[in-house]
Amino acid sequence: SQQGEEDPQALSIQEGENATMNCSYKTSINNLQWYRQNSGRGLVHLILIRSNEREKHSGRLRVTLDTSKKSSSLLITASRAADTASYFCATDSRAQKLVFGQGTRLTINP
Amino acid sequence: DVKVTQSSRYLVKRTGEKVFLECVQDMDHENMFWYRQDPGLGLRLIYFSYDVKMKEKGDIPEGYSVSREKKERFSLILESASTNQTSMYLCASSLSTGGNNEQFFGPGTRLTVL
Repeated sequence: SQQGEEDPQALSIQEGENATMNCSYKTSINNLQWYRQNSGRGLVHLILIRSNEREKHSGRLRVTLDTSKKSSSLLITASRAADTASYFCATDSRAQKLVFGQGTRLTINP
Repeated sequence: DVKVTQSSRYLVKRTGEKVFLECVQDMDHENMFWYRQDPGLGLRLIYFSYDVKMKEKGDIPEGYSVSREKKERFSLILESASTNQTSMYLCASSLSTGGNNEQFFGPGTRLTVL
Protein backbone atom coordinates (compact mmCIF):
# COMPACT_ATOMS: atom_id res chain seq x y z
CA SER A 1 0.00 0.00 0.00
CA GLN A 2 1.22 3.49 -0.79
CA GLN A 3 1.73 5.67 2.26
CA GLY A 4 3.05 8.85 0.68
CA GLU A 5 0.96 10.80 -1.75
CA GLU A 6 2.52 13.62 -3.72
CA ASP A 7 0.70 16.70 -4.86
CA PRO A 8 0.51 17.88 -7.56
CA GLN A 9 0.95 14.90 -9.88
CA ALA A 10 2.50 17.18 -12.49
CA LEU A 11 3.96 20.67 -12.35
CA SER A 12 5.24 22.86 -15.18
CA ILE A 13 7.05 26.15 -14.46
CA GLN A 14 9.43 28.59 -16.11
CA GLU A 15 13.15 28.41 -15.53
CA GLY A 16 14.16 30.55 -12.59
CA GLU A 17 10.86 30.14 -10.75
CA ASN A 18 10.48 28.18 -7.54
CA ALA A 19 8.85 24.74 -7.51
CA THR A 20 6.95 23.38 -4.53
CA MET A 21 5.84 19.78 -4.16
CA ASN A 22 3.89 18.32 -1.29
CA CYS A 23 3.72 14.89 0.29
CA SER A 24 1.16 13.51 2.71
CA TYR A 25 1.42 10.26 4.63
CA LYS A 26 -0.78 8.24 6.96
CA THR A 27 1.16 6.67 9.82
CA SER A 28 3.90 7.81 12.18
CA ILE A 29 7.40 7.87 10.71
CA ASN A 30 11.05 7.81 11.73
CA ASN A 31 12.12 9.94 8.81
CA LEU A 32 10.94 11.16 5.43
CA GLN A 33 13.12 11.20 2.34
CA TRP A 34 12.91 12.85 -1.06
CA TYR A 35 14.28 11.26 -4.24
CA ARG A 36 14.64 12.45 -7.84
CA GLN A 37 14.28 10.27 -10.92
CA ASN A 38 15.38 11.40 -14.34
CA SER A 39 13.44 9.87 -17.20
CA GLY A 40 14.06 6.12 -17.49
CA ARG A 41 16.71 6.03 -14.78
CA GLY A 42 17.04 4.94 -11.16
CA LEU A 43 16.18 7.14 -8.20
CA VAL A 44 18.71 9.44 -6.56
CA HIS A 45 18.47 10.41 -2.90
CA LEU A 46 18.12 14.17 -2.34
CA ILE A 47 17.50 14.80 1.32
CA LEU A 48 16.35 13.13 4.54
CA ILE A 49 14.47 14.84 7.35
CA ARG A 50 13.97 13.13 10.69
CA SER A 51 10.67 13.14 12.56
CA ASN A 52 12.05 15.53 15.20
CA GLU A 53 13.17 18.07 12.57
CA ARG A 54 10.94 20.74 11.06
CA GLU A 55 13.07 22.13 8.26
CA LYS A 56 16.20 21.17 6.37
CA HIS A 57 18.21 22.79 3.59
CA SER A 58 20.57 21.41 0.99
CA GLY A 59 21.76 23.81 -1.69
CA ARG A 60 18.66 24.99 -3.59
CA LEU A 61 16.46 22.46 -1.80
CA ARG A 62 14.37 23.20 1.26
CA VAL A 63 12.32 20.50 2.94
CA THR A 64 9.76 21.02 5.69
CA LEU A 65 8.03 18.43 7.82
CA ASP A 66 4.83 18.85 9.82
CA THR A 67 4.23 15.65 11.78
CA SER A 68 0.97 16.97 13.23
CA LYS A 69 -0.43 17.25 9.71
CA LYS A 70 1.54 14.24 8.43
CA SER A 71 2.85 16.26 5.53
CA SER A 72 6.10 17.44 3.98
CA SER A 73 7.02 19.86 1.25
CA LEU A 74 9.99 20.10 -1.08
CA LEU A 75 10.91 23.51 -2.43
CA ILE A 76 13.37 23.91 -5.27
CA THR A 77 14.47 27.52 -5.63
CA ALA A 78 15.68 29.20 -8.83
CA SER A 79 14.78 26.19 -10.95
CA ARG A 80 16.94 25.06 -13.88
CA ALA A 81 16.23 22.93 -16.92
CA ALA A 82 18.27 20.13 -15.31
CA ASP A 83 15.72 19.97 -12.47
CA THR A 84 13.21 18.44 -14.89
CA ALA A 85 12.50 15.03 -13.35
CA SER A 86 10.05 13.12 -11.20
CA TYR A 87 10.27 13.65 -7.46
CA PHE A 88 9.22 11.07 -4.89
CA CYS A 89 8.77 11.19 -1.17
CA ALA A 90 9.41 8.06 0.86
CA THR A 91 8.64 7.22 4.47
CA ASP A 92 10.29 4.58 6.61
CA SER A 93 7.70 3.64 9.20
CA ARG A 94 8.40 -0.03 8.58
CA ALA A 95 11.91 -0.81 9.81
CA GLN A 96 14.43 -0.64 6.99
CA LYS A 97 11.82 -0.54 4.24
CA LEU A 98 10.68 2.62 2.53
CA VAL A 99 7.22 3.30 1.16
CA PHE A 100 7.23 5.57 -1.88
CA GLY A 101 4.56 7.88 -3.16
CA GLN A 102 3.55 8.05 -6.80
CA GLY A 103 5.66 11.09 -7.52
CA THR A 104 5.38 14.58 -8.93
CA ARG A 105 6.51 15.08 -12.52
CA LEU A 106 8.27 18.45 -12.71
CA THR A 107 8.94 20.17 -16.04
CA ILE A 108 11.10 23.28 -16.22
CA ASN A 109 10.46 25.30 -19.37
CA PRO A 110 13.32 27.42 -20.78
CA ASP B 1 31.63 6.34 -5.19
CA VAL B 2 28.75 4.09 -4.23
CA LYS B 3 27.40 1.97 -6.98
CA VAL B 4 24.50 -0.37 -7.70
CA THR B 5 24.55 -2.11 -11.05
CA GLN B 6 21.88 -4.13 -12.81
CA SER B 7 22.68 -6.75 -15.39
CA SER B 8 20.58 -5.31 -18.24
CA ARG B 9 19.04 -1.94 -19.11
CA TYR B 10 16.56 -3.49 -21.53
CA LEU B 11 15.29 -7.05 -21.74
CA VAL B 12 12.72 -8.70 -24.00
CA LYS B 13 11.40 -12.14 -23.07
CA ARG B 14 8.60 -14.42 -24.15
CA THR B 15 5.67 -15.57 -22.04
CA GLY B 16 6.60 -18.63 -19.99
CA GLU B 17 10.36 -18.01 -20.03
CA LYS B 18 12.36 -18.03 -16.82
CA VAL B 19 13.93 -14.62 -16.31
CA PHE B 20 16.83 -13.64 -14.05
CA LEU B 21 17.49 -10.03 -13.11
CA GLU B 22 20.80 -9.49 -11.36
CA CYS B 23 21.79 -6.69 -9.03
CA VAL B 24 25.23 -6.05 -7.55
CA GLN B 25 26.27 -3.41 -5.02
CA ASP B 26 29.80 -2.51 -4.00
CA MET B 27 29.02 -0.69 -0.75
CA ASP B 28 28.95 -3.66 1.64
CA HIS B 29 25.29 -2.90 2.40
CA GLU B 30 23.27 -5.37 4.40
CA ASN B 31 19.89 -4.49 2.89
CA MET B 32 18.88 -5.03 -0.71
CA PHE B 33 15.51 -4.44 -2.39
CA TRP B 34 13.67 -5.16 -5.60
CA TYR B 35 10.90 -2.81 -6.78
CA ARG B 36 8.80 -2.57 -9.87
CA GLN B 37 7.65 0.77 -11.20
CA ASP B 38 4.55 1.21 -13.31
CA PRO B 39 2.85 4.41 -14.52
CA GLY B 40 0.33 5.66 -12.01
CA LEU B 41 1.35 3.09 -9.39
CA GLY B 42 4.72 4.43 -8.28
CA LEU B 43 7.33 2.06 -6.81
CA ARG B 44 6.09 -1.18 -5.31
CA LEU B 45 8.29 -3.44 -3.21
CA ILE B 46 8.55 -7.01 -4.47
CA TYR B 47 11.11 -8.59 -2.12
CA PHE B 48 13.87 -7.47 0.16
CA SER B 49 16.76 -9.01 2.03
CA TYR B 50 18.42 -8.03 5.31
CA ASP B 51 21.30 -10.44 5.05
CA VAL B 52 22.81 -13.24 3.03
CA LYS B 53 20.38 -16.12 2.42
CA MET B 54 17.63 -14.09 4.06
CA LYS B 55 14.56 -12.81 2.19
CA GLU B 56 11.22 -11.30 3.02
CA LYS B 57 8.17 -10.67 0.88
CA GLY B 58 7.25 -7.14 0.03
CA ASP B 59 3.88 -5.87 -1.13
CA ILE B 60 3.66 -7.75 -4.45
CA PRO B 61 5.72 -10.98 -4.30
CA GLU B 62 3.37 -13.13 -6.38
CA GLY B 63 5.06 -14.51 -9.49
CA TYR B 64 8.55 -13.66 -8.25
CA SER B 65 11.28 -15.24 -6.19
CA VAL B 66 14.71 -14.00 -5.08
CA SER B 67 18.13 -15.32 -4.22
CA ARG B 68 20.91 -13.83 -2.10
CA GLU B 69 23.85 -16.18 -1.91
CA LYS B 70 26.44 -13.42 -1.48
CA LYS B 71 26.17 -10.11 0.34
CA GLU B 72 26.77 -8.01 -2.76
CA ARG B 73 24.36 -9.79 -5.11
CA PHE B 74 20.55 -9.96 -5.06
CA SER B 75 18.76 -11.74 -7.88
CA LEU B 76 15.12 -11.44 -8.89
CA ILE B 77 13.63 -14.46 -10.65
CA LEU B 78 10.48 -14.64 -12.72
CA GLU B 79 9.79 -18.39 -12.79
CA SER B 80 7.40 -18.15 -15.75
CA ALA B 81 7.20 -14.67 -17.21
CA SER B 82 3.79 -13.25 -18.02
CA THR B 83 2.77 -10.13 -19.95
CA ASN B 84 1.59 -8.40 -16.77
CA GLN B 85 5.18 -8.50 -15.53
CA THR B 86 6.22 -6.06 -18.24
CA SER B 87 7.60 -3.21 -16.16
CA MET B 88 10.62 -1.23 -15.01
CA TYR B 89 12.51 -3.13 -12.30
CA LEU B 90 14.66 -1.22 -9.85
CA CYS B 91 17.16 -2.64 -7.40
CA ALA B 92 18.34 -0.71 -4.34
CA SER B 93 20.57 -1.21 -1.32
CA SER B 94 21.02 0.45 2.07
CA LEU B 95 22.90 0.18 5.33
CA SER B 96 21.01 -1.30 8.24
CA THR B 97 22.53 0.72 11.05
CA GLY B 98 21.43 4.06 12.42
CA GLY B 99 18.47 6.15 11.44
CA ASN B 100 19.76 7.05 8.02
CA ASN B 101 18.40 4.37 5.72
CA GLU B 102 18.96 6.18 2.45
CA GLN B 103 18.58 3.79 -0.44
CA PHE B 104 20.94 3.69 -3.41
CA PHE B 105 19.35 2.66 -6.67
CA GLY B 106 20.58 0.95 -9.79
CA PRO B 107 19.74 2.35 -13.24
CA GLY B 108 16.79 -0.01 -13.71
CA THR B 109 15.91 -2.82 -16.11
CA ARG B 110 13.02 -2.27 -18.49
CA LEU B 111 11.55 -5.72 -19.06
CA THR B 112 9.10 -6.45 -21.86
CA VAL B 113 7.31 -9.80 -21.88
CA LEU B 114 5.74 -10.67 -25.24
